[in-house]
Amino acid sequence: EVQLVQSGAEVKKPGESLTISCKASGYNFSNYWITWVRQMPGKGLEWMGRIDPSDSYRNYGPSFQGHVTISADKSVRTAYLQWSSLKASDTAIYYCTRHESAGGHDYWGQGTLVTVSS
Amino acid sequence: DIQMTQSPSTLSTSVGDRITITCRASQNIYSWLAWYQQKPGKAPKLLIYEASSLQSGVPSRFSGSQSGTEFTLTISSLQPDDFATYYCQQYSSLRTFGQGTKVQIK
Repeated sequence: EVQLVQSGAEVKKPGESLTISCKASGYNFSNYWITWVRQMPGKGLEWMGRIDPSDSYRNYGPSFQGHVTISADKSVRTAYLQWSSLKASDTAIYYCTRHESAGGHDYWGQGTLVTVSS
Repeated sequence: DIQMTQSPSTLSTSVGDRITITCRASQNIYSWLAWYQQKPGKAPKLLIYEASSLQSGVPSRFSGSQSGTEFTLTISSLQPDDFATYYCQQYSSLRTFGQGTKVQIK
C-alpha cells in the first residue's frame, strides 16, 4: 500500500528555522517526484516545488524560490521541506504528494499544520 | 509562468444536478491537466488526469473535456458526497493550480 506519512504539527516563532518531513512507503521512492503544496488558512492550493529523489534535481515555483528548500534522502525514503527563517505568513497546511514525470498527484500525505506566531 | 483561470469560484447547486466547472490556461498546455476534489480537513483527491482520463476508483459521473486551452470538469448527476472544492492543475510547465471552485448546497 502506497503511503506518504508527514511529520506532526509545529508551532514556531518568527525567525525560527523548521524542517518538516514526508516518509514514503509501498513503492519505489526513486520512480516518482515528490511535490510540496501549501494551503493557507481558508485559501486554495499552491504548488511550491518538487524533487526527483533519484538524483535530487529540483524545481521551485516562482513565489517560493529562495524562501524554502526541498530535499530528499533516498536511504530513508523521506523528503523534506525546510525554512531558515519563518514568517507569520508561512502559517499554513503543507502537503507532500507524489507524481510521475507526466501525471497527476495520485497519493498525498495527511498534511502538516505549521503555525508561526509570536 | 502558466496561469490557470478557474470559474466559477462558487457554485450553488442541488443533488441530481449536472454541473460544469471551467479552467482556462494562459497558453497551450496540450492535455496536461488534472482535476482534484478536496473536502474540508482532507488532502485533495485526484479525479481526472490528462484532461479526460478518469483516475482509478473515481465514479463515472465525473468526466473531463478540452477545447483548445479551455478545460471542463462535468459531474453528470451531483451526489451528496460531491459537495466539495474542486481544483484544476496544469502540468505542462512545472505545475500550477487554479483558484478553486466550491460546490455548495443551494
